Amino acid sequence: GAVVSQHPSWVICKSGTSVKIECRSLDFQATTMFWYRQFPKQSLMLMATSNEGSKATYEQGVEKDKFLINHASLTLSTLTVTSAHPEDSSFYICSARAGSEQYFGPGTRLTVT
Amino acid sequence: GQQLNQSPQSMFIQEGEDVSMNCTSSSIFNTWLWYKQDPGEGPVLLIALYKAGELTSNGRLTAQFGITRKDSFLNISASIPSDVGIYFCAGRIIQGAQKLVFGQGTRLTINP
Repeated sequence: GAVVSQHPSWVICKSGTSVKIECRSLDFQATTMFWYRQFPKQSLMLMATSNEGSKATYEQGVEKDKFLINHASLTLSTLTVTSAHPEDSSFYICSARAGSEQYFGPGTRLTVT
Repeated sequence: GQQLNQSPQSMFIQEGEDVSMNCTSSSIFNTWLWYKQDPGEGPVLLIALYKAGELTSNGRLTAQFGITRKDSFLNISASIPSDVGIYFCAGRIIQGAQKLVFGQGTRLTINP
C-alpha cells in the first residue's frame, strides 16, 4: 500500500508557541490530504481537507486561524498549531487519498505545557 | 450528519477464536474501508470494498460490502495476539466524495 509519513512523531511545546507538523506521501502524489484529531479512546475527528494549490476546507467548529494548513505540493501538507494551549494537546493524524483509498500517517502526539 | 454505527464497541476473546464486527448506516455508501489502529499509531488500511455484495479477503481477514450498501462486516479467523487493537470502519457516501465517515471503533482484546 501507499506510504504516508508524518514528522515529528511527538512534540512538547510551551503554551503560546506554534508547532508545525508535516505530512508527506512518500510513493504517490496526493491532490487531497486530510487532517484528523483523535482523543483517547475515541474515533478520528476530521479537522480539515487540504487540496494542493488551494485553501483548505475546515470542518465546522475548527478554527482556521488557529490550525493553519498548507498543501504546497502534491506530496506535502503541513498543519501549524498557532499559539498552542494545553487543550490543543492531542494526537494529530494526517491522511492522503490515493484513488478511492485513503492512507494514514503514523500520527503526531502534541503535548502543550 | 452521516453516522456509522459500529458494533461491538469492544470484544474480549480467547486466542484462536473467530471475530466478527459490523457497521451499519441509514445512508447508502459507495465505498467501505476497514482499518486497524495500534496504540500510538495511525490507522492501517486492511481491506477496501467498492461494490455491493463484494466479498474480499486479506489473509485471515474477510470483509463484505452489504447488498443494501448500508452495511459492512469484517471477520477475523483464528485470532492471534497481534490482532489486538482498534478496528474502524469508514465509508464514503457518494462516489468521488472526499470525506470518509468513521465508525466509533471496535476494541479487540485477546486472552492468550
